[in-house]
Amino acid sequence: SAVISQKPSRDICQRGTSLTIQCQVDSQVTMMFWYRQQPGQSLTLIATANQGSEATYESGFVIDKFPISRPNLTFSTLTVSNMSPEDSSIYLCSGGVGYEQYFGPGTRLTVT
Amino acid sequence: EDQVTQSPEALRLQEGESSSLNCSYTVSGLRGLFWYRQDPGKGPEFLFTLYSAGEEKEKERLKATLTKKESFLHITAPKPEDSATYLCAVQASRDYKLSFGAGTTVTVRA
Repeated sequence: SAVISQKPSRDICQRGTSLTIQCQVDSQVTMMFWYRQQPGQSLTLIATANQGSEATYESGFVIDKFPISRPNLTFSTLTVSNMSPEDSSIYLCSGGVGYEQYFGPGTRLTVT
Repeated sequence: EDQVTQSPEALRLQEGESSSLNCSYTVSGLRGLFWYRQDPGKGPEFLFTLYSAGEEKEKERLKATLTKKESFLHITAPKPEDSATYLCAVQASRDYKLSFGAGTTVTVRA
């Protein structure tokens, strides 16, 4: 298994600004992923964070809006850029151990 | 496109009243089916992975089973602390991504 932490746990931001969310895993993992969970809904995959190369984005998500870094096998960041109220959501990262994925506690973002 | 459908959306149980949650799926080449538990304000907690039809796994009062088209999560003699949203996800053999269902919210009354 893996223990995953995220910072910040929550934030309130003004529209037009950007927020960077950090994800730290307690052990090296091959795969890291970023998800969004809107209120009362399930998880939607934003992108796969690839170590040493550009992230792979899902349909409907673009790098300019959600730039991702993954400098090593235990750390990744997701930036939510030029935020609007529609970006208010919970953002979750996960780390893959074998085929299994373990999730962080999430970052609750509110955009005003 | 992979699809995961969970039913019912919500389930209210009396303590000790056993029940089952359903997860039906469509995926091109299933590698694994995953069950998670999510408490309000928290990230999903890994419960089980099932890899092949006929496989069963148990953890305390929870038992997960898998067929070629669906999975069941059986809750035996539930307690109030079993109250949570239970999420089902599938992983196709072509990659490591998870596709999630909408979840079943279980409430167990004492």
